[in-house]
Amino acid sequence: AQSVTQLGSHVSVSEGALVLLRCNYSSSVPPYLFWYVQYPNQGLQLLLKYTSAATLVKGINGFEAEFKKSETSFHLTKPSAHMSDAAEYFCAVSYTNAGKSTFGDGTTLTVKP
Amino acid sequence: DAGVTQSPTHLIKTRGQQVTLRCSPKSGHDTVSWYQQALGQGPQFIFQYYEEEERQRGNFPDRFSGHQFPNYSSELNVNALLLGDSALYLCASSLAITQQETQYFGPGTRLLVL
Repeated sequence: AQSVTQLGSHVSVSEGALVLLRCNYSSSVPPYLFWYVQYPNQGLQLLLKYTSAATLVKGINGFEAEFKKSETSFHLTKPSAHMSDAAEYFCAVSYTNAGKSTFGDGTTLTVKP
Repeated sequence: DAGVTQSPTHLIKTRGQQVTLRCSPKSGHDTVSWYQQALGQGPQFIFQYYEEEERQRGNFPDRFSGHQFPNYSSELNVNALLLGDSALYLCASSLAITQQETQYFGPGTRLLVL
């Protein structure tokens, strides 16, 4: 069964610092990978997705992620954190279609002034 | 262009009752998926509807059922509610059953079972 592991349920960074949120997936078949952001009391918004094109994927709000098959990882980064980046971030994987995704448990990002 | 809408936003039920949640997909989308998000966890796939039929289903009991209407809107029904059914229920829509289509999520319905 496909699974997604997000290392670190809580990550805290200072404003302006690098953001690194980790995601590893389990699969022998290259999946489609997604990062979503969820603000309090809201649904999920897609940040970026990997669909077997370029391994470095750029998303919205300055985020990017790199697909590393050898490490089965898809870590999310942003060079400089903003206060508005504070939210819950979810990594997800799918193999059949975008509608049936398996999500990680999420990482709460806190940005300190 | 209206995004995905869900109703109601909040709901309180008691154990054993039945509940119906509603979802209108983003304009032009024909596929609707439902997810359950328990507190502190990631969303879990319940099922997906396309062309008014359930196409895929996650690991949820038969108490969870759904429907898709000709206008692509969808309902999620849960019978014999349990305390553990308390969660945020998210609807997501996409265009056709292809792997690369982006899902758009609604704001969710927060269900509390007492």
